[in-house]
Amino acid sequence: DADVTQTPRNRITKTGKRIMLECSQTKGHDRMYWYRQDPGLGLRLIYYSFDVKDINKGEISDGYSVSRQAQAKFSLSLESAIPNQTALYFCATSDRTGLAGGNEQFFGPGTRLTVL
Amino acid sequence: ELKVEQNPLFLSMQEGKNYTIYCNYSTTSDRLYWYRQDPGKSLESLFVLLSNGAVKQEGRLMASLDTKARLSTLHITAAVHDLSATYFCAVDIRYALNFGKGTSLLVTP
Repeated sequence: DADVTQTPRNRITKTGKRIMLECSQTKGHDRMYWYRQDPGLGLRLIYYSFDVKDINKGEISDGYSVSRQAQAKFSLSLESAIPNQTALYFCATSDRTGLAGGNEQFFGPGTRLTVL
Repeated sequence: ELKVEQNPLFLSMQEGKNYTIYCNYSTTSDRLYWYRQDPGKSLESLFVLLSNGAVKQEGRLMASLDTKARLSTLHITAAVHDLSATYFCAVDIRYALNFGKGTSLLVTP
């Protein structure tokens, strides 16, 4: 089984709808992240969380919110989806100790979201 | 604002040839990572570079880090078709990673 899973894998929705993307991990890592990927732009950080009680905005948090329900679960919500939120969304995890691998991050399979 | 610049962004090379992808960044950091992404897939960790002068090799790929020059390189030796993918460098900014835009590599016969 994959260490980092994301659901759904694909989603098509309409403008104005509320959408939740879910991420679960079995790696035992404390840190979790949400990125979005757009063609030609690389990955950009939306939110990150170092533990259940620690949530931080990233570079492009406007229009998004997150919830860290447990150490292993980190959800991303689009309260009112708009077309320019069409993108590939990745969840990632890393180990807070960072000793051996620095801040090496491990990525989920991604969720392809289309907002019409 | 931290900038992470990769070049080239697109690279088409023949099998058997050598080439280098460059990753320049604009802030102090001594940790850098390389990832590979196949079309429609997730990111796979290739190399973790944690100090100045670090060099890692795996098969036909070799990565290095010069923190003083704020430069990392990914060298491809005797390219094969299986190396066709997009390669990202990512700079460690302590709370997260800051990614370059990626280099799309196509290896042709």
